[in-house]
Amino acid sequence: RKEVEQDPGPFNVPEGATVAFNCTYSNSASQSFFWYRQDCRKEPKLLMSVYSSGNEDGRFTAQLNRASQYISLLIRDSKLSDSATYLCVVSRNTNAGKSTFGDGTTLTVKP
Amino acid sequence: DVKVTQSSRYLVKRTGEKVFLECVQDMDHENMFWYRQDPGLGLRLIYFSYDVKMKEKGDIPEGYSVSREKKERFSLILESASTNQTSMYLCASIPQDPAQAFFGQGTRLTVV
Repeated sequence: RKEVEQDPGPFNVPEGATVAFNCTYSNSASQSFFWYRQDCRKEPKLLMSVYSSGNEDGRFTAQLNRASQYISLLIRDSKLSDSATYLCVVSRNTNAGKSTFGDGTTLTVKP
Repeated sequence: DVKVTQSSRYLVKRTGEKVFLECVQDMDHENMFWYRQDPGLGLRLIYFSYDVKMKEKGDIPEGYSVSREKKERFSLILESASTNQTSMYLCASIPQDPAQAFFGQGTRLTVV
C-alpha cells in the first residue's frame, strides 16, 4: 500500500462546479500536510498548506482529518484555469522537501 | 521571488554515459532535494542535502550520486545512465522555515 494515496481521476467538471479531492496517508506520525498544483509539463507549486483546524483561501478549502488520516481539497466555482494536477503532500516533520508526494489527481474544467 | 534553475529542460543521453544534472537556487536556502517523477509513481525522493558537503539518501538512491560543494548548487549524477532512468527530474529548495518547497522547472531526461 502506498504511503500517500490519491484518486488519479481524471475529474472532468463543468465551469462553476464544486469538486472535492481526497488523499489518504498511512503514517500516523505525519505532521505537515500540503496541496501542490502542477500544470502540464511544469513544476509543482504550493497551492496551500493544510492546518488541523481547516483553512480556506478564496475558492479553495483544505481540511485535515487526523483520526481517519485523510486530507481534502474543495474547489468551489471551478474556473477553466483550475485545470491541473493536484498533488497531496505529507511530511513527518516540518521539512516539506523530505516529504511523500501522492501521484496526483487530474482535474479538467470544461466550458 | 525564489528562483530554482535547472541546467537543462530536455536531455538525451546514451546508455552508459555519465550524466550531470545541475540545480542552482538564489535564495540562500539550506535544504535542497532531487526527485524523479514518473507516471503512476508520483514524485520520489532520490537524494537530499541539508548543508554544504552534506548528503543523505532518499527513497531511491540506487544508480545516482550527488554533490553539494556550494550552498547554492546541488548536482545529481548518473554514473552510468540506463534506460530505466528515463524520467522527469525535479530539483527543490526550501529554507529552514517555512516549509514550502520551491521546484525548478524540471529536466526531462531520455536515455537511449
